Amino acid sequence: DADVTQTPRNRITKTGKRIMLECSQTKGHDRMYWYRQDPGLGLRLIYYSFDVKDINKGEISDGYSVSRQAQAKFSLSLESAIPNQTALYFCATSDDRDTGELFFGEGSRLTVL
Amino acid sequence: GQNIDQPTEMTATEGAIVQINCTYQTSGFNGLFWYQQHAGEAPTFLSYNVLDGLEEKGRFSSFLSRSKGYSYLLLKELQMKDSASYLCAVMDSNYQLIWGAGTKLIIKP
Repeated sequence: DADVTQTPRNRITKTGKRIMLECSQTKGHDRMYWYRQDPGLGLRLIYYSFDVKDINKGEISDGYSVSRQAQAKFSLSLESAIPNQTALYFCATSDDRDTGELFFGEGSRLTVL
Repeated sequence: GQNIDQPTEMTATEGAIVQINCTYQTSGFNGLFWYQQHAGEAPTFLSYNVLDGLEEKGRFSSFLSRSKGYSYLLLKELQMKDSASYLCAVMDSNYQLIWGAGTKLIIKP
């Protein structure tokens, strides 16, 4: 089984719908991240959390919210999806080193019609 | 602004050597990462450089010159499975990762 698991892996939805992407990890890491990836662009950070009570906005947080339910779980919500949120979303974890490598989930491909 | 530049696409031959360059302009520097991403899959960590010089890890090596804002990833004895995108990312003074758009490497027999 993967150390970082994302659900769903693929989702097609309509404009205005609420969507939740879930991430769980068995690596025991405190730090968790949500990124989106678009063709021709680098990974962009949406939100990150360094422990259960810590939530921080990333580069592109508008239109998104997150919940850190436990050390192992970090969920990303789109309250009212719009077509330009169509993208590949990755959850990632890292250890407590500021320069620690990221361990990514397998990705969630979201299409908003 | 902060910027990471790397070629969009490169083609190389199986068994050959290829060098993928990355130049960066960031607010401070706390290290440079290379990740490999096969199509439709998650990025996986390849290397981390924080000091100038060459780091070798099997068939892959990564070089850093902080004064030039430049790094390269060198892949030797190319195999078909090396066909992937290679992502360069720099950690700035706030320990935020700035990502390049990635270089798609195509390996031909």
